[in-house]
Amino acid sequence: QKEVEQNSGPLSVPEGAIASLNCTYSDRGSQSFFWYRQYSGKSPELIMSIYSNGDKEDGRFTAQLNKASQYVSLLIRDSQPSDSATYLCAVRRSGGSYIPTFGRGTSLIVHP
Amino acid sequence: EPEVTQTPSHQVTQMGQEVILRCVPISNHLYFYWYRQILGQKVEFLVSFYNNEISEKSEIFDDQFSVERPDGSNFTLKIRSTKLEDSAMYFCASSGTGGADTQYFGPGTRLTVL
Repeated sequence: QKEVEQNSGPLSVPEGAIASLNCTYSDRGSQSFFWYRQYSGKSPELIMSIYSNGDKEDGRFTAQLNKASQYVSLLIRDSQPSDSATYLCAVRRSGGSYIPTFGRGTSLIVHP
Repeated sequence: EPEVTQTPSHQVTQMGQEVILRCVPISNHLYFYWYRQILGQKVEFLVSFYNNEISEKSEIFDDQFSVERPDGSNFTLKIRSTKLEDSAMYFCASSGTGGADTQYFGPGTRLTVL
């Protein structure tokens, strides 16, 4: 059973702070990792994808991957109230299936 | 910017009735997907579709579900005899010319079974 685990939160941070969201996965064959943002009642929106160990930065977002420890994280710098949403981690195995397995998501609240 | 569209946005039906959820994927995409998300729970894969046939399906996608691409633009999910537990958001997604390409999600259809 492939599992993707996230702390459901809510994670509450003040505006301007760094928000750190974590995700662990059980399938060692996982090769592709995704972070989606989902506002309440809306569809998932892809923020970042990462495939190699290390950090990947895109604007205020940094994804970090450690395959040996089987975790992936998302850092949001200079958090804004508009970043308040649920962040979904998704993990996909290489070859064969292109279907990602989603975690339940972490709710982030950025308060002014 | 091209986007996936879904209709209706909200569907209310009686238990035992058939529903058809419609999706228009991004026009040059070749891979299509249906997911569902029960309120407060994780996004769950239902089925993927490529080259006019199902390429993968999950345990959730049992005989009461079917998918079809009736023309060059629409992609539909049919639930033959709805149950209360089918109440959920149903998301359609599409990806480009490779199955490993990024999946773009539509806005979803909220299905309520009474």
